[in-house]
Amino acid sequence: AQKVTQAQTEISVVEKEDVTLDCVYETRDTTYYLFWYKQPPSGELVFLIRRNSFDEQNEISGRYSWNFQKSTSSFNFTITASQVVDSAVYFCALSEADAGGTSYGKLTFGQGTILTVHP
Amino acid sequence: DGGITQSPKYLFRKEGQNVTLSCEQNLNHDAMYWYRQDPGQGLRLIYYSQIVNDFQKGDIAEGYSVSREKKESFPLTVTSAQKNPTAFYLCASSTGLGETQYFGPGTRLLVL
Repeated sequence: AQKVTQAQTEISVVEKEDVTLDCVYETRDTTYYLFWYKQPPSGELVFLIRRNSFDEQNEISGRYSWNFQKSTSSFNFTITASQVVDSAVYFCALSEADAGGTSYGKLTFGQGTILTVHP
Repeated sequence: DGGITQSPKYLFRKEGQNVTLSCEQNLNHDAMYWYRQDPGQGLRLIYYSQIVNDFQKGDIAEGYSVSREKKESFPLTVTSAQKNPTAFYLCASSTGLGETQYFGPGTRLLVL
């Protein structure tokens, strides 16, 4: 069965600090997809990134970067120079897929990390 | 503007009553999903639908029912059989099953 663990329940930083959110996953499939979502206080989940298991290239998008390492089953998310607007709950999620790369559709979420950025 | 709407934002229910949560999308997505979120926890899948007139149970379907009569609509009914219905309910949609899911603003249900 698939499982996603976000061991950091809460993180508190001061503005402009860099912060890394950890995500460790378990799956028996060789083909799968990993996601990060942001949930601001309004409650709506905002999609940040999707990565497939065959693409281990790290990705950078502005102040956000993601480090995917299959060897350690981790998909960590770093925010550089954090801002108060980054305060939110961040979820990592996993979707398994068949050998052809077609996802089964079900997302398994981690428990989330509450990030608070202080001015 | 394309998007997913959920109504109402807050919903109160008396014990023993059924209640229906609305989810509408104008993104022309085929697949739709319902999740439940409890405080301090991640989201858990209740039901999902790949196409019109078809839906499948997720991990926690007991006490819930859905219908998919139109592509743009996927209402969720919380029945009296659901023992602990107080939660935050999120609807999502995607172009196809397994593609990136986009979420609505959610409905907070409180049982009095």
